[in-house]
Amino acid sequence: QKEVEQNSGPLSVPEGAIASLNCTYSDRGSQSFFWYRQYSGKSPELIMSIYSNGDKEDGRFTAQLNKASQYVSLLIRDSQPSDSATYLCAVTISGGYQKVTFGTGTKLQVIP
Amino acid sequence: NAGVTQTPKFRILKIGQSMTLQCTQDMNHNYMYWYRQDPGMGLKLIYYSVGAGITDKGEVPNGYNVSRSTTEDFPLRLELAAPSQTSVYFCASRTGGIDVTYEQYFGPGTRLTVT
Repeated sequence: QKEVEQNSGPLSVPEGAIASLNCTYSDRGSQSFFWYRQYSGKSPELIMSIYSNGDKEDGRFTAQLNKASQYVSLLIRDSQPSDSATYLCAVTISGGYQKVTFGTGTKLQVIP
Repeated sequence: NAGVTQTPKFRILKIGQSMTLQCTQDMNHNYMYWYRQDPGMGLKLIYYSVGAGITDKGEVPNGYNVSRSTTEDFPLRLELAAPSQTSVYFCASRTGGIDVTYEQYFGPGTRLTVT
């Protein structure tokens, strides 16, 4: 059973629209959740972290966490072509907070 | 700060050869990690370290070895390279302590091909 699941996409949205990226996880004890952006051929870059239920906003990005449903999402408002990348969801492992588990990522394409 | 640096950027190995991938961080982070990423796949943890002299296996440690003699450096050793080790390797680090956020910061990666 996959520990962190993401739709691989590609998710295509027009420029200026809201992109919604979703992630589910299997470990009920997970406490910390992250979204990384990875451009093709580059390393992952941390864009959001969230630790408690609810929404967390940072500029055009909003992370949403629902621990009861074991669900994390990332909303990107006013999507730009420069947002086209693969977005990786990452979750800490309960009982082993030294480590995180990564999903396989969702590829986002923003169409000009 | 340079952050996390990795060398080399690219390498081609023949089957059976050995090499060391270098990783250095200048952020005084206690925790360091090695991941591999195969095309279209997520990151798989190879080894990690919680401080100098302390290392532990991740999900996919077979065929690799690590050491951590200083806080700054965390080299990854490949012995007897195999085609299955063709991948992109990322090193990452994070802080530890009271205000831990578990946020990891990645180096630029090493693209390794074994033929």
